[in-house]
Amino acid sequence: DAGVIQSPRHEVTEMGQEVTLRCKPISGHDYLFWYRQTMMRGLELLIYFNNNVPIDDSGMPEDRFSAKMPNASFSTLKIQPSEPRDSAVYFCASTTGTATMPEETQYFGPGTRLLVL
Amino acid sequence: AQSVAQPEDQVNVAEGNPLTVKCTYSVSGNPYLFWYVQYPNRGLQFLLKYITGDNLVKGSYGFEAEFNKSQTSFHLKKPSALVSDSALYFCAVRDIRDATDKLIFGTGTRLQVFP
Repeated sequence: DAGVIQSPRHEVTEMGQEVTLRCKPISGHDYLFWYRQTMMRGLELLIYFNNNVPIDDSGMPEDRFSAKMPNASFSTLKIQPSEPRDSAVYFCASTTGTATMPEETQYFGPGTRLLVL
Repeated sequence: AQSVAQPEDQVNVAEGNPLTVKCTYSVSGNPYLFWYVQYPNRGLQFLLKYITGDNLVKGSYGFEAEFNKSQTSFHLKKPSALVSDSALYFCAVRDIRDATDKLIFGTGTRLQVFP
């Protein structure tokens, strides 16, 4: 398996522009997580899905952030409009689990490094 | 609420010496505990976990960790450090009684192994 795939790996954009980050989880994994990593705040969970349904989005910082999972093999995290403080590395992770509880081990993608100028 | 503390921002050790990266946790019930490693420009990689059973857990790349319930700690150890072990290490916890499915990560400890 290729592991969790994220694209793009790097994104540089200007303030006010829309940014879309993409994630393909490991095949067969039914839990998907979006994290953000910054020097100031460390690793933060933004949102996670189970069977394509958002379960907890309490970590999404603002209405400018939205995430979707239209099918089991694809998820997007969108920022509109983007701001310089959104600059960070965004990770996607996936895992298996039961209907109500994920397996403990999460598998992370390589991340998308976002810079908003 | 669950929390994880990694008291050291950075740990420096000479190659060949033993290393310890500290982690303490706080949960209301019993914990699931994890260590992840992040190499430069890479995602986090799973190292090892404690769910139940033997308090000493062995993981990838020769690392091990000891679950200590009385001290609420889960320190990561390796008997002989390698320069290639230099990376950012994250401890994470989940309360098995918590209805949420989230892992709570510590702030990370940067391990620097000098030749």
